[in-house]
Amino acid sequence: GENVEQHPSTLSVQEGDSAVIKCTYSDSASNYFPWYKQELGKRPQLIIDIRSNVGEKKDQRIAVTLNKTAKHFSLHITETQPEDSAVYFCAGGRGGSNYKLTFGKGTLLTVNP
Amino acid sequence: KAGVTQTPRYLIKTRGQQVTLSCSPISGHRSVSWYQQTPGQGLQFLFEYFSETQRNKGNFPGRFSGRQFSNSRSEMNVSTLELGDSALYLCASRPTGGIDEQYFGPGTRLTVT
Repeated sequence: GENVEQHPSTLSVQEGDSAVIKCTYSDSASNYFPWYKQELGKRPQLIIDIRSNVGEKKDQRIAVTLNKTAKHFSLHITETQPEDSAVYFCAGGRGGSNYKLTFGKGTLLTVNP
Repeated sequence: KAGVTQTPRYLIKTRGQQVTLSCSPISGHRSVSWYQQTPGQGLQFLFEYFSETQRNKGNFPGRFSGRQFSNSRSEMNVSTLELGDSALYLCASRPTGGIDEQYFGPGTRLTVT
C-alpha cells in the first residue's frame, strides 16, 4: 500500500519568512495529493491540492509542487503570519472511485511574531 | 450548506463495550470516509462508503465496521473496545462525480477506560 512520509515534524519560523514542508510517497499509482491544516481542537481543513498531471499549483501565499519522478511533493507558504500556526498534513492516494488517502504524520508549524 | 456533522462529540466507554458513531455528510455528498486520529499514528484511513457500499478499507481489525444509509448518513461501529481505540474519529464527505476534495466533520472524541 501507499506510504507517505512528511518532514519536518516541527517547524518554527519568524513572521514574514517562508515555510516549506516536504512529503514523499511510495505508490506510483497515486494521483491525488491534498494538504490539510488543522488548528488545535479543530477539524482538518483542505488548503490546497494537486493532481499527478500538474507540476505546480498556487493559491495566494500557498503553493504546492509535485515531482512524480522522484515521488515527492512540497507545500510552500510565503509571508507567514501568526494565524498560519497549525499542524499541516500532507496526503497521497487515489482519487475517484478507488478513493483512499494515506496521510503523513503532520508538521507543527509555529510562526513567531 | 451545513457542514459535516458528527454525533456524539465526546464519548467515554469501558473496555469490552461497543460503540456506534454517526456522521451526516454535507447535503448532496454521497461519499463518506472515516479516519482515526491519534497523536502517535496521525490520521489513518478506516473505510469509505458510497451509495451504501463499502468501496475501500484500511488496515484495521474486523472490530471496526461501518455502514451507510440511503440518505448518505453513515455510522461506524467498534466492538469489544480496547484501550488503544481511544482516539478522535473523523468522518469526511465528498460529492464524487470526479471531485476528490473532502470535507471533515468535527470528530468524535472516544475515550476507552
